[in-house]
Amino acid sequence: QQKVQQSPESLIVPEGGMASLNCTSSDRNVDYFWWYRQHSGKSPKMLMSIFSNGEKEEGRFTVHLNKASLHTSLHIRDSQPSDSALYLCAASMNYNQGKLIFGQGTKLSIKP
Amino acid sequence: EAAVTQSPRSKVAVTGGKVTLSCHQTNNHDYMYWYRQDTGHGLRLIHYSYVADSTEKGDIPDGYKASRPSQENFSLILELASLSQTAVYFCASSDWGSRAEQFFGPGTRLTVL
Repeated sequence: QQKVQQSPESLIVPEGGMASLNCTSSDRNVDYFWWYRQHSGKSPKMLMSIFSNGEKEEGRFTVHLNKASLHTSLHIRDSQPSDSALYLCAASMNYNQGKLIFGQGTKLSIKP
Repeated sequence: EAAVTQSPRSKVAVTGGKVTLSCHQTNNHDYMYWYRQDTGHGLRLIHYSYVADSTEKGDIPDGYKASRPSQENFSLILELASLSQTAVYFCASSDWGSRAEQFFGPGTRLTVL
């Protein structure tokens, strides 16, 4: 059973628009959520992480976390063509010594 | 300067042959990981290690072995490569703990024919 679910599978957003990506865990032992971005043919790079309820903003990127529902979301405002990538959500559990469980990813395409 | 490197960057192997993928890190991290990624999908953990000379099974270890001869080096071994093992393989390293960021290498594209 997949412990980390992402939605949607793919998303097309016009340039300058807002992209919203979702991620939910089915394991109540989640300690930390991570968002990684992977451009085509490249390796994943950590974008943002969150462990406290609420939101965290870094430039055009905002992450929300609701620990009660184990749901996190990533919002990208003023989307740019360079934001086109596979976005991977991952969760680390407090019993797992740093192991990450990844979701299947959301493929984001920004249309000029 | 790349802190996690992998070799080779791509490889074509024959079914039933032996394949060794290598990973080297200069982050001074204790933890190292091997993942596989199938086209357009997420990452699945194969093996990991938190100390030299010791390895642990991840979520999909069948058909793979791992070796950690030193803190800096971690290898993934396919003793009898199969078609289903065609994928991109990523190595990563991190400090200890659930709040430690993982840093990924550039990946190895493996094609088994």
